[in-house]
Amino acid sequence: GQQLNQSPQSMFIQEGEDVSMNCTSSSIFNTWLWYKQDPGEGPVLLIALYKAGELTSNGRLTAQFGITRKDSFLNISASIPSDVGIYFCAGQPLSSNYKLTFGKGTLLTVNP
Amino acid sequence: DGGITQSPKYLFRKEGQNVTLSCEQNLNHDAMYWYRQDPGQGLRLIYYSQIVNDFQKGDIAEGYSVSREKKESFPLTVTSAQKNPTAFYLCASISSGSAEQFFGPGTRLTVL
Repeated sequence: GQQLNQSPQSMFIQEGEDVSMNCTSSSIFNTWLWYKQDPGEGPVLLIALYKAGELTSNGRLTAQFGITRKDSFLNISASIPSDVGIYFCAGQPLSSNYKLTFGKGTLLTVNP
Repeated sequence: DGGITQSPKYLFRKEGQNVTLSCEQNLNHDAMYWYRQDPGQGLRLIYYSQIVNDFQKGDIAEGYSVSREKKESFPLTVTSAQKNPTAFYLCASISSGSAEQFFGPGTRLTVL
């Protein structure tokens, strides 16, 4: 099936630093979504992107839908300790209105 | 409050026993999903249902079964045929025409 390559797998940063992570695919996606998962909890939707080139912000988070429709990135500015968690990208393929393909996640650790 | 509930949060079973995980939503969403999450892995789709009394296999359906008798409910049974059932199970739902999946808090199943 289709796969998303999410990188990096993990990041260790100092509080206050900016963070960037991305997802790429060999296939085109209609929609890109970014989720955050805290330990032992379900993922929470952070940002949804619907158009190629779209740049959307949610507080300190900014995400972009790549022009080629095959990639997306998420930036977190001025990180704080509560940003710790696993961040997942997900894409909705052209071939499916109901299924998402998920990346393997980026584990973010923020040192106070 | 509207949302998705999964119960129980933690479940322990002996090897060879079937076990049913509950998922209920009061969001009036049409489609519901079950995912399995293993450490360091992305979310893998087990089953999904777009309407009542209909469901489709996902990528890893072997050893699992579901039912969708009511719009609000989508229980997952982990059968004794599932070779490695210990995992974190996540239920999600989506409204018709949207790509944004909303997740429940998850159930951690441990088979002893």
